[in-house]
Amino acid sequence: AQRVTQPEKLLSVFKGAPVELKCNYSYSGSPELFWYVQYSRQRLQLLLRHISRESIKGFTADLNKGETSFHLKKPFAQEEDSAMYYCALKGTGNQFYFGTGTSLTVIP
Amino acid sequence: TAGITQAPTSQILAAGRSMTLRCTQDMRHNAMYWYRQDLGLGLRLIHYSNTAGTTGKGEVPDGYSVSRANTDDFPLTLASAVPSQTSVYFCASSVSGDSPLHFGNGTRLTVT
Repeated sequence: AQRVTQPEKLLSVFKGAPVELKCNYSYSGSPELFWYVQYSRQRLQLLLRHISRESIKGFTADLNKGETSFHLKKPFAQEEDSAMYYCALKGTGNQFYFGTGTSLTVIP
Repeated sequence: TAGITQAPTSQILAAGRSMTLRCTQDMRHNAMYWYRQDLGLGLRLIHYSNTAGTTGKGEVPDGYSVSRANTDDFPLTLASAVPSQTSVYFCASSVSGDSPLHFGNGTRLTVT
């Protein structure tokens, strides 16, 4: 079965503190994983993808096949990072499977 | 501005009525998708189309139908709306292959 799990529905951190949004996946093949972000009153947009291995807005995510995880991390959270974050898996047949999302609040 | 356009932005619909949510993209993307976003459930795939002329069922297809007559348009139809179809609906597209999704602004539908 193809599935994405985001265990935290809500996450609050103080400004300047490190933040980690958890994502675990279930997929029998070689996974393609993404993080999408939805800021208030905006459309969902791509934040980063694992094959790019890049840092976007200070966020990074490393694919750990052994733990089947793709956690999103940022060393110093900013107020503008407050948003809904979705982890997504591209599975068979070009279908994208999303987790239930984590709402991040950065407290000033 | 290139991208995906969804219409209407919001709609209140009486149960039992039919409605078509429109989605148009001008990026010449091959694949298009319809998702519904519900609190606590995230985004769930309703239907998808890998290329014009083909469609497929996603995780929650019941009560919905789609068509893909051309590359640009991917309408979603509710034949007889029920209150459980109250949701925010997102259309998305991607170039076939390993490209990420581009999303529309969403349609907020309330079925009373």
